Amino acid sequence: AQSVTQLDSQVPVFEEAPVELRCNYSSSVSVYLFWYVQYPNQGLQLLLKYLSGSTLVKGINGFEAEFNKSQTSFHLRKPSVHISDTAEYFCAVRNDYKLSFGAGTTVTVRA
Amino acid sequence: NAGVTQTPKFRVLKTGQSMTLLCAQDMNHEYMYWYRQDPGMGLRLIHYSVGEGTTAKGEVPDGYNVSRLKKQNFLLGLESAAPSQTSVYFCASSPPTSGQETQYFGPGTRLLVL
Repeated sequence: AQSVTQLDSQVPVFEEAPVELRCNYSSSVSVYLFWYVQYPNQGLQLLLKYLSGSTLVKGINGFEAEFNKSQTSFHLRKPSVHISDTAEYFCAVRNDYKLSFGAGTTVTVRA
Repeated sequence: NAGVTQTPKFRVLKTGQSMTLLCAQDMNHEYMYWYRQDPGMGLRLIHYSVGEGTTAKGEVPDGYNVSRLKKQNFLLGLESAAPSQTSVYFCASSPPTSGQETQYFGPGTRLLVL
């Protein structure tokens, strides 16, 4: 089964600074990748997904991710964060019709 | 649409007690899932269902049972709760159609086993 590894468990960042969250996946012929966000005391919400096509994927709230097959990576970026982006972010890969999640990256945005 | 709802939101159990968590979705989705979330471990799949009347084991099924008697409901049961089952439980659902792989999550149930 495919798996993902999130390389950073915690990422502190100042408001209006850029942020990058790193995710590597195990190699496979084809791969579907996702980023979910979990705001405090809430369920998970889809940020964006890569199924095929353009390697640069744009999501909600100004986030984007780039699928890099040669580096088996799917890093999430935002050029300028807001206090409201404080949350936990999960990278996930699809296995059949199931998802396998990374351990999560906690982003804390400070003023 | 309410989306995915979970009942209860919070529960405290004593070791050995039993309980059932209810998940309901009003999106007519075929697939439903139960996950548990523990610090530093992300979400781990407990059981899932690909349709009414079907269930299958996920990554961490021991100590849990599930039933999918109706398409819109997916029940997670703990027959004899243990402190190791203290966690936050999330239910999710998704349609089966290719290109619609997004899973929609409920708000979660916080379970404390003493």
